[in-house]
Order: sequence, then structure tokens, then C-alpha cells
Amino acid sequence: GAVVSQHPSWVICKSGTSVKIECRSLDFQATTMFWYRQFPKQSLMLMATSNEGSKATYEQGVEKDKFLINHASLTLSTLTVTSAHPEDSSFYICSASAGTTTQETQYFGPGTRLLVL
Amino acid sequence: EDQVTQSPEALRLQEGESSSLNCSYTVSGLRGLFWYRQDPGKGPEFLFTLYSAGEEKEKERLKATLTKKESFLHITAPKPEDSATYLCAVQADGGFKTIFGAGTRLFVKA
Repeated sequence: GAVVSQHPSWVICKSGTSVKIECRSLDFQATTMFWYRQFPKQSLMLMATSNEGSKATYEQGVEKDKFLINHASLTLSTLTVTSAHPEDSSFYICSASAGTTTQETQYFGPGTRLLVL
Repeated sequence: EDQVTQSPEALRLQEGESSSLNCSYTVSGLRGLFWYRQDPGKGPEFLFTLYSAGEEKEKERLKATLTKKESFLHITAPKPEDSATYLCAVQADGGFKTIFGAGTRLFVKA
């Protein structure tokens, strides 16, 4: 149980293009989903928290207009990197939580590696 | 400010050499402490959740314990396949934000 998938697993794009990453909870309903960014040999940096049907809450320093998050259903959230630049190259990981009082545990997807040329 | 510090940064063990990883935390009201394992190029894999001081959980060669200020991940008789980065994270009362430590990179040599 508690499987989270991400698609694509890796993507290479040209500078200036937009890239969409999907995050799906396969066997549970995720009331809350999280998007993280991870640089090599560093820990996870939370970018934003999203709840189904409402606007995402972005962490300080994360550009809302650049990283568009949509949590359209209880099993799907998307992150769109708009007008990507080389400095956006990173490992993006989503996680999902059922969000009940006894299930705050986050289950992570396998990650998406983005390379912007 | 809520904070999570893991030590050591890296740990090299011989196969069968038991040891412990430390996670010290400062948080205004602990809702939960989590341990994850992360292999290179992959997302973190959930290991344990601990909620209150004195709690312990075990899974195969791993045992996690929790006090009011820190958590330990004990590895008994590790094998090379236990090599990975182990991440500790805390969640504070009042929200879902999870704060991660920098991780401990464990290398187990056969």
C-alpha cells in the first residue's frame, strides 16, 4: 500500500520551454501533496504544499508564477515549471499524505530528474 | 525555529558492525518524527514514524527510538544492501510541514 508514482522519471528540455510533472497516489486518497526539490548530496527542500481543490501554499523564496501547482483531485497533483532555465535543473520529488490524525506520514514518489539545456 | 540535525554526515561500517545514527530536533510541539531511506536517484522510502518519547519501532535490522530531544536509528549487523542515505524528518503541531535533516550517508562494506 501507499504507492506514489511520478511521471516522467526524467526529462530534458530546452531553455524557455515549460515542463509538467505528474504525481499520483495509486492506492489511497491524498488530501495533501507536497513538492520538494533536491540538489546532489543535499536534503529535500520543500517547495509547496497543496490540498485538493485549493491553492498551493508556497515556501518562502519559491516563485509561484514559475512553479505552478495544481491539485485537481485526491489522487493527482501536477507541477509545471514554466519557462525553464538551466538553474531549474534538479531532482523534483513529490509526496502524498492521507492527512488524517493518524496518518501524517508522507509517502514519496520516485522523483523526476529535470535537465534544462 | 524548528530544526533537525543529523549525525554523522557519513558513516562507513564493515558488514556485521552494528552502529547508530543520530537525529537531534528542536520543534515547538512534536507531531511526529519520521525516518526514511533514500537510494541514489530515487525518492525516499518510508521506514518508521514515532510519535512520543519512549516509543520504539523495529523492522528487520533497523530499530528506531525516540526521546524528547533526539531519535536514534540503530542498525544491527548491517549488510552491504543497507548502504543508503537515511533521512530524519519532524512534523510540528499545527501543520503538515515536514522538516528534513541533511541525512546520514551509510556505506557498508562486505
